[in-house]
Parts: sequence; C-alpha cells; structure tokens
Amino acid sequence: DAGVIQSPRHEVTEMGQEVTLRCKPISGHDYLFWYRQTMMRGLELLIYFNNNVPIDDSGMPEDRFSAKMPNASFSTLKIQPSEPRDSAVYFCASSFDPDTQYFGPGTRLTVL
Amino acid sequence: SQQGEEDPQALSIQEGENATMNCSYKTSINNLQWYRQNSGRGLVHLILIRSNEREKHSGRLRVTLDTSKKSSSLLITASRAADTASYFCATDAGSNYQLIWGAGTKLIIKP
Repeated sequence: DAGVIQSPRHEVTEMGQEVTLRCKPISGHDYLFWYRQTMMRGLELLIYFNNNVPIDDSGMPEDRFSAKMPNASFSTLKIQPSEPRDSAVYFCASSFDPDTQYFGPGTRLTVL
Repeated sequence: SQQGEEDPQALSIQEGENATMNCSYKTSINNLQWYRQNSGRGLVHLILIRSNEREKHSGRLRVTLDTSKKSSSLLITASRAADTASYFCATDAGSNYQLIWGAGTKLIIKP
C-alpha cells in the first residue's frame, strides 16, 4: 500500500486566493482526519470523517475553512480566502481502528 | 484541544545513551500512544499502551504508564542518530477515534 497520499506537498499562494489540499486515505480505512501543525499551536485536529460523513468539525478555525469527502478514497480541505495566518503544515491521516492513525507526508502551505 | 504535555520540550544526548521523555495528561484514558515525527515528515505510530497495562516494550522502546499520576514515559535505549526526531504522545479518552495530542519533545542525538 502506498500509504496516505497528500497533494500538493508544497503550496505558496497570495493572500485572498483559494487553496485546495487533497488527500487519498489508505484503502479500507473508514476514518479520515485533517490536522494543522504550527510551531505556536502544535498539532490541531481540524475535522474528521467516518464513512465519508463529517463527525466533528469543531476544530475548523472559521468559515473560510471547509472540508469534503465525496467518496471513500478522496478528501479535500479548502481555504477561501486564504490569509497569512493560515500558513502551516496540513496533515491528513486515516485509520481503521481506534489504536493507530496513519499520517500522510503533509502539505506545507505558505500564504504571502 | 491539547491534553498531553511532554517534557522536556527538547533533549540533546550523545549517541548510545538512553533517552527518556515524559507525557502527562489530564483526564481518564483508554490508551496512550507515542508517535515519532522526522523533520518535514508525517507522524509515525510507535507504540500503544492501554490503561490496564503498566509497561510495554517494542525493540529499543519501553513505555510505562502510571494512571494514578496520569503520566507516561518513553525510553529509547542505545540511541542512534536516526532517532533524531520529535516525539508526541496522544491519548484516546473517548469512544470515538479522536486523539488528543501533546506538544512534543524534540530529541537530538549527537554523533
């Protein structure tokens, strides 16, 4: 298995632009998590899905952030409009049991 | 929300020495996990210890759990340069799959 796949690996954009981050979970995993990691705030859970349904989005910072999971093999995290404070590394992780989460390599987002 | 707190925040030791990192948490847990993050990479699961276990081993890793003190320690024996990474503890306190993460310990192994 290729593991969790995220794209792009790096994204540089200007303030106000729309940013879309993509994730392909490990096949057979029915939980998918989106995290944000910064030096100041550490690792923060933004939202997670079970069987493509959002379960808890209380970590989503504000309405500028949205996430979708149209099918079991694909999820997106969108930021519109982006702001410099959104600069961070965004991780996607998937899981099939409560014991272990498998992380993707992350997307490093820089908003100028 | 962040529940686990690791200490120290940073640790620098010589290759071959043992490294010990600690994690404290606030609420009752079902299990506690340790993850490693190499620079620029995603987190990798290392080991899980359940609330009814006190100690667990995996290769050069030894994890202890003291539920009365709400704390855990991760010991890496005979450290290697490749162990240089950040180490995070995470607790699974509820019935869902959500983990609560600590801030991490940055470990540097000097050759």
